[in-house]
Amino acid sequence: NAGVMQNPRHLVRRRGQEARLRCSPMKGHSHVYWYRQLPEEGLKFMVYLQKENIIDESGMPKERFSAEFPKEGPSILRIQQVVRGDSAAYFCASSPGTGDSPLHFGNGTRLTVT
Amino acid sequence: QKEVEQNSGPLSVPEGAIASLNCTYSDRGSQSFFWYRQYSGKSPELIMFIYSNGDKEDGRFTAQLNKASQYVSLLIRDSQPSDSATYLCAVSSSASKIIFGSGTRLSIRP
Repeated sequence: NAGVMQNPRHLVRRRGQEARLRCSPMKGHSHVYWYRQLPEEGLKFMVYLQKENIIDESGMPKERFSAEFPKEGPSILRIQQVVRGDSAAYFCASSPGTGDSPLHFGNGTRLTVT
Repeated sequence: QKEVEQNSGPLSVPEGAIASLNCTYSDRGSQSFFWYRQYSGKSPELIMFIYSNGDKEDGRFTAQLNKASQYVSLLIRDSQPSDSATYLCAVSSSASKIIFGSGTRLSIRP
């Protein structure tokens, strides 16, 4: 499967725990985007990364959220001390180049905070 | 003003008719425009992209772009029940990040 791989598909965390969401881009893609989607709503931009570099994190909350895309391995979206409002679907997408290239999406991680 | 605006719908269209979905954007520097389809509980899938003013056709789908009016649309000809989904307009801003609208729910009635 050469598509964008996200795991886990479903993640349940209690309030105050940490959530780690992983995303492996399509082969040959070096750009990764993370989006959050609440039920019945659109995709909200969070962060745009290249290998070892955060290009734009203007959509990511300053507190508790962080993202990385190391030279080796998947991109990680990390949410510390989760709260109920963090419950959402988190989608990762990758592209081979700049914003001119279409994004290819993974299947998403559904985070539920209890 | 939202960066990318779409009518949330639902838009109801009879089977076999043309469905017309509209989108406006605020960043005049935007260069690339995309339409995605998302079924309930699934991830978005790319339908079309358009970079230049005018029309671009692919099968039953036609994307239309008017940069002067900051307007992009998607036409679906011969609508099928399987076209019932949420359609997301996405725009590449001048900062290269890709921003999505909130989506239009389309329902094709038999």
